[in-house]
Amino acid sequence: RKEVEQDPGPFNVPEGATVAFNCTYSNSASQSFFWYRQDCRKEPKLLMSVYSSGNEDGRFTAQLNRASQYISLLIRDSKLSDSATYLCVVNPADRGSTLGRLYFGRGTQLTVWP
Amino acid sequence: DAGITQSPRHKVTETGTPVTLRCHQTENHRYMYWYRQDPGHGLRLIHYSYGVKDTDKGEVSDGYSVSRSKTEDFLLTLESATSSQTSVYFCAIRKGLAGDYYTDTQYFGPGTRLTVL
Repeated sequence: RKEVEQDPGPFNVPEGATVAFNCTYSNSASQSFFWYRQDCRKEPKLLMSVYSSGNEDGRFTAQLNRASQYISLLIRDSKLSDSATYLCVVNPADRGSTLGRLYFGRGTQLTVWP
Repeated sequence: DAGITQSPRHKVTETGTPVTLRCHQTENHRYMYWYRQDPGHGLRLIHYSYGVKDTDKGEVSDGYSVSRSKTEDFLLTLESATSSQTSVYFCAIRKGLAGDYYTDTQYFGPGTRLTVL
């Protein structure tokens, strides 16, 4: 079983729509979680961190459900500029954490159309 | 911006030739990582370093070696390039957000696009 699983999409939504991505993780001891955004032919960039039940930053809300071991990212009022791939990332809180190891999902592709 | 540069940004080479990619950081981070990213696989860890001359293997290290003689530079070498090593290579540094390693995350360089013919 992979450490982090994401629906690869693609998600195609109109401007102004609300879209949600889900991600599941296998290690119940994991402590912290991140969403990264990756534009086409660019490097992944940190979008949000999630340490407790959730985090909100403008139109973006990340939620954590520890009982079900999933993280979600909600984007409200989608913009054309939100088109990108969104990576779910988990800090596993195991020995690997002491070496800075992270587990990356394969990403969910989002296209927002006018 | 974590002050990470990678060189070259693009390279085309032939099968069997050695190739060295360079990652340079300006913020004195101890931990550095090399990943490759391929369609359908996502990011996969090749090697990482936890200090000068301290390196270890990741999940896809076969055919790759690394060196770190200075804090700021982490080199990835493809000893004899093969077509299966055509990929985008990203370097990353570890950076803490809230003071303990549970909250550490990574910041990436701009990537090197390598094509092996």
